[in-house]
Amino acid sequence: GAVVSQHPSRVICKSGTSVKIECRSLDFQATTMFWYRQFPKQSLMLMATSNEGSKATYEQGVEKDKFLINHASLTLSTLTVTSAHPEDSSFYICSARDLISGGRGKSNYGYTFGSGTRLTVV
Amino acid sequence: QKEVEQNSGPLSVPEGAIASLNCTYSDRGSQSFFWYRQYSGKSPELIMSIYSNGDKEDGRFTAQLNKASQYVSLLIRDSQPSDSATYLCAVNGRNYGQNFVFGPGTRLSVLP
Repeated sequence: GAVVSQHPSRVICKSGTSVKIECRSLDFQATTMFWYRQFPKQSLMLMATSNEGSKATYEQGVEKDKFLINHASLTLSTLTVTSAHPEDSSFYICSARDLISGGRGKSNYGYTFGSGTRLTVV
Repeated sequence: QKEVEQNSGPLSVPEGAIASLNCTYSDRGSQSFFWYRQYSGKSPELIMSIYSNGDKEDGRFTAQLNKASQYVSLLIRDSQPSDSATYLCAVNGRNYGQNFVFGPGTRLSVLP
């Protein structure tokens, strides 16, 4: 099945520094990837949609200058948290759309998630 | 009204029982429905996908979809302690583009 690799899995950084998180599709090409944030005991919240070769689309309330997304190839998207603050501490997860079934002219897609990155800003 | 709703739980069932998880959605044009399982501190993993009305079975899991009632459920038979996790319902429809909308999740606890 489709595999999405995300790293680092865990990072601790000082307030004011920047952190880059990588998300790679290992055995398929992903023209679109998604970045989510999840606070403890809450559901996934979509931050942005990353499109290969174009600017990312950010959800309302997400600062695009703070959360920089680059999707330079069909297999790699990166999220950079700039000037991180303690309130940015969260679980960040990427996902990519992949074909999970097909036939009779119909394609069904699912979403495979990376393993997530636990960011702690101190 | 939220786009995708689930009971937050926790839902507690004894080992060996059937766990029933429910999800409702607001967009009547929704076309694809997914159940994900998420263990604490881990990312979600896909359990089931369902696209047509009726039941779909995979091992101990059965997904049920009723588009007229805008309702999708997940049944887990012979529940095991290892099934204890948060179960997320995700819906992809014409208004969502390529993205899913996730429900808040239901926390399931299977008691040994």
